[in-house]
Amino acid sequence: TQLLEQSPQFLSIQEGENLTVYCNSSSVFSSLQWYRQEPGEGPVLLVTVVTGGEVKKLKRLTFQFGDARKDSSLHITAAQPGDTGLYLCAGAPGGGSNYKLTFGKGTLLTVNP
Amino acid sequence: NAGVTQTPKFRILKIGQSMTLQCAQDMNHNYMYWYRQDPGMGLKLIYYSVGAGITDKGEVPNGYNVSRSTTEDFPLRLELAAPSQTSVYFCASRTSGLQGTQYFGPGTRLLVL
Repeated sequence: TQLLEQSPQFLSIQEGENLTVYCNSSSVFSSLQWYRQEPGEGPVLLVTVVTGGEVKKLKRLTFQFGDARKDSSLHITAAQPGDTGLYLCAGAPGGGSNYKLTFGKGTLLTVNP
Repeated sequence: NAGVTQTPKFRILKIGQSMTLQCAQDMNHNYMYWYRQDPGMGLKLIYYSVGAGITDKGEVPNGYNVSRSTTEDFPLRLELAAPSQTSVYFCASRTSGLQGTQYFGPGTRLLVL
């Protein structure tokens, strides 16, 4: 069973601060996705990273896939209250099972104005 | 497009009662999923389907059943509700391809007393 560990579990910061959340595993994933979930709603896909070492930027969010494709990070620059939510990473195992994702437990981010 | 819709939004069940959680998608996706989300535990896969007439167990299938008679609908059945099934249930559908995107419904909050 492939496991994804996310850290920190909770993060509370002030508006304007920078932050990084991590997603780690001992297993190799063919791709990794990051989702954001707001209270009372389902998760929404932010990004998919596929290649080891890949970096993708989405406005103030920077996503990186580890060289060995076992870990990933999400960095937010100048956080805003609208960034508040649960951030979930999810890995695809590869082979013929890419349609089955393994989700981490999430990082609950609160950005205070 | 409505995307992925789920009904009901909230339900209270007594121990031993049965119910069906409805899920429908209008994006013509072959892949569909049922997850449960418990506080601090991320998303656990209950059942999934790769197309009409084909279903398979996920990580936590005990106490649940599914059917997939059409591409659009993927209902989840709870036969004998137990307090351990108190959770938020999310249905999702996925685009095809190696790095498909999962689209989630708004969730059904279930309380078993």
